[in-house]
Amino acid sequence: NAGVTQTPKFQVLKTGQSMTLQCAQDMNHNSMYWYRQDPGMGLRLIYYSASEGTTDKGEVPNGYNVSRLNKREFSLRLESAAPSQTSVYFCASSDRQANTEAFFGQGTRLTVV
Amino acid sequence: AQSVTQPDIHITVSEGASLELRCNYSYGATPYLFWYVQSPGQGLQLLLKYFSGDTLVQGIKGFEAEFKRSQSSFNLRKPSVHWSDAAEYFCAVASYSSASKIIFGSGTRLSIRP
Repeated sequence: NAGVTQTPKFQVLKTGQSMTLQCAQDMNHNSMYWYRQDPGMGLRLIYYSASEGTTDKGEVPNGYNVSRLNKREFSLRLESAAPSQTSVYFCASSDRQANTEAFFGQGTRLTVV
Repeated sequence: AQSVTQPDIHITVSEGASLELRCNYSYGATPYLFWYVQSPGQGLQLLLKYFSGDTLVQGIKGFEAEFKRSQSSFNLRKPSVHWSDAAEYFCAVASYSSASKIIFGSGTRLSIRP
């Protein structure tokens, strides 16, 4: 039972490069989330998708875009990476109707140089 | 808008001592509340959750939390900590009534004194 799978696990980018972080869940959850974790700041919500076909901005959306490709997949794109986007990124999913908690992937450690 | 405050950035307790980690939330409707734990270099594990009913919630690893609506608090407690409890602890609030948003606090790092 894979749960929430994120790829890649590690990535180094140069300033200005673009990349997409992939996330897939196999729990048939309708809601998915992207967070970034920085020391002393906890997890901050970047974007979320309450259901397939919808996305909304979270607390820190600037510099990011997302795509809810289907019910399983929710990708996060950095169009022009900046050093301030160096962080650990977590994808999560939950089932609002079933009142579940958020289930997390193992994270992607991104360094922008 | 939802928000979560964890006022203690870092707490150190002796092994075997009791523990209380504070969490205050701001949310207009009935909140769904969670406590997660993260060990160094690891992902997040759910300790316990509150959706409704009994305001004292039992979780894994001997943790419990009490929802106090009048104080907008959801403090985490453990009667006797173990060295393996050293980790970072996050409180979170969800708004499942509308947009399904889950907001986390900034975390409390717990150190255990031998």
